[in-house]
Amino acid sequence: SQKIEQNSEALNIQEGKTATLTCNYTNYSPAYLQWYRQDPGRGPVFLLLIRENEKEKRKERLKVTFDTTLKQSLFHITASQPADSATYLCALRNTDKLIFGTGTRLQVFP
Amino acid sequence: GAVVSQHPSWVICKSGTSVKIECRSLDFQATTMFWYRQFPKQSLMLMATSNEGSKATYEQGVEKDKFLINHASLTLSTLTVTSAHPEDSSFYICSARTSGRTGANVLTFGAGSRLTVL
Repeated sequence: SQKIEQNSEALNIQEGKTATLTCNYTNYSPAYLQWYRQDPGRGPVFLLLIRENEKEKRKERLKVTFDTTLKQSLFHITASQPADSATYLCALRNTDKLIFGTGTRLQVFP
Repeated sequence: GAVVSQHPSWVICKSGTSVKIECRSLDFQATTMFWYRQFPKQSLMLMATSNEGSKATYEQGVEKDKFLINHASLTLSTLTVTSAHPEDSSFYICSARTSGRTGANVLTFGAGSRLTVL
């Protein structure tokens, strides 16, 4: 069956450190992979998109990697700040739909 | 940037009543909108794809007669939860495909509507 899995356990890190979140998928062959941020009680907000022929994508303190052989994407936040605390969701396109992973909650403490 | 407005942000209703949630694209036209549902500490589950001027496409297991979707214009889609029951209590979020990124299906989401059925 098709699955998009993220670490369900919350990730707690200290301010200033790099946070690394993982997204693994099975039985998909996505041309794109996306990352969204969701704050409690709010809708997700698009952060980054990476194509299958791109190894890495950067945007300010964010970096995403995409390994189609491992079927995995890593999402990094460098110099993390308490304001980065949120749930981060990866998403894949399946036909005309966007399917989301389970999400990982990140908590950055001072 | 693209903005999707969703209303109401929260609603409490009695069991058996119907609730309508509106989703508007404010500064762009959205031929396709997507409705998701999210239970506490779970991910977003796609309920249906709303197409302007045609019938919505529902995901497996989602009752189309219970969750009525209307997409009568390029900027408005509505979701009506009919004869709501406590198990329908959830966080409902609409989204629209952002113009110019059709190939990647990047979505702009509304703020969500928290439905509580007593």
